Amino acid sequence: SQTIHQWPATLVQPVGSPLSLECTVEGTSNPNLYWYRQAAGRGLQLLFYSVGIGQISSEVPQNLSASRPQDRQFILSSKKLLLSDSGFYLCAWSPSDTHNEQFFGPGTRLTVL
Amino acid sequence: AQSVAQPEDQVNVAEGNPLTVKCTYSVSGNPYLFWYVQYPNRGLQFLLKYITGDNLVKGSYGFEAEFNKSQTSFHLKKPSALVSDSALYFCAVRDPYTGRRALTFGSGTRLQVQP
Repeated sequence: SQTIHQWPATLVQPVGSPLSLECTVEGTSNPNLYWYRQAAGRGLQLLFYSVGIGQISSEVPQNLSASRPQDRQFILSSKKLLLSDSGFYLCAWSPSDTHNEQFFGPGTRLTVL
Repeated sequence: AQSVAQPEDQVNVAEGNPLTVKCTYSVSGNPYLFWYVQYPNRGLQFLLKYITGDNLVKGSYGFEAEFNKSQTSFHLKKPSALVSDSALYFCAVRDPYTGRRALTFGSGTRLQVQP
């Protein structure tokens, strides 16, 4: 069966510091991968998605970037965090067929102080 | 462009009563529709989906949803609510004809089931 991992689970970082959040998927190959941010426990904002290694689509221009160095690894990064980057970051994967329900990881709670 | 609306921020229902969480969508073609549930500080869990076929879709934990093309709706229902159903519910849509693989999520509806 497939599983998705995210780490760290929680993170407190000062403004201006770098960020690296990692997401890995097990039990599947060539998944579509997604990064979302959820602010204030509400709506999800799609940040990036990837259909393959090195292929990243950005949904919202911002302070963040994403990379996919391996088939089942998706990394969210920032060179300098802003206060507004605080939130709950969710990684998700979907099979590369046509129906695409997404399966979510446990999330990372980021607080920027 | 695809979009989805959840008109209610919160729904309150007594345990044992039926519940409905509303969702309407907008896509240019025939939609793929999904419902997810989120418990506090957790990721989203997939409940059910509509792709094609029977308009009434059954999912996890006794939930079901009805696709209504004329009303562009996909309301989530359960015949008898449990206190443990209290959570945040998200509707999502994908228009397969755009080639876009990502889902568009609604703003979420908080369901509160009172004992």
